[in-house]
Amino acid sequence: GQQLNQSPQSMFIQEGEDVSMNCTSSSIFNTWLWYKQDPGEGPVLLIALYKAGELTSNGRLTAQFGITRKDSFLNISASIPSDVGIYFCAGVKANSKLTFGKGITLSVRP
Amino acid sequence: GAGVSQSPRYKVAKRGQDVALRCDPISGHVSLFWYQQALGQGPEFLTYFQNEAQLDKSGLPSDRFFAERPEGSVSTLKIQRTQQEDSAVYLCASSFRVRSYEQYFGPGTRLTVT
Repeated sequence: GQQLNQSPQSMFIQEGEDVSMNCTSSSIFNTWLWYKQDPGEGPVLLIALYKAGELTSNGRLTAQFGITRKDSFLNISASIPSDVGIYFCAGVKANSKLTFGKGITLSVRP
Repeated sequence: GAGVSQSPRYKVAKRGQDVALRCDPISGHVSLFWYQQALGQGPEFLTYFQNEAQLDKSGLPSDRFFAERPEGSVSTLKIQRTQQEDSAVYLCASSFRVRSYEQYFGPGTRLTVT
């Protein structure tokens, strides 16, 4: 079963606002990734993090790999309507398989 | 095409039927993964190929599930004697290098077992 915790299940924000979401685990992961999934599509990779403490940006997105290696967060600044979707965190241990959280559904009100 | 493609996009099967789901990874990608995504959940790992070798099949839920990648490119996930609990979206992902964690996903095949 899944080991990564994402909450709340849904978030509602106003266009232009910033939003943060985090992901926690009871065990250590060596790599953290954040994906976005639109309805009827596969997840799309947003950011990959490889070192504890690492802070990485991709446009309006910023993500951090927690120093304990048991958590990560994603921040979206100045949200726009196309940010709507489901955001998944995923962790990797020694093998290559990804362990996903349940996802957070983001809604953006214009 | 430039991305991972999967076919069919939708499949309806009667309980007990066999199904075969196809994945065409990005050209040159060494690693290929299959995931199962139930409604409202994140994807869950099924199996992993490095070229034609199936290195990890620990996520396959039963011996009714079988995957192959005979020439190290296209892969097929086969489910025999489908059950209602097999209804889910089956996602394929590929990555360029061995131990590359940046996996690129296809659109998935939505399987509905009636």
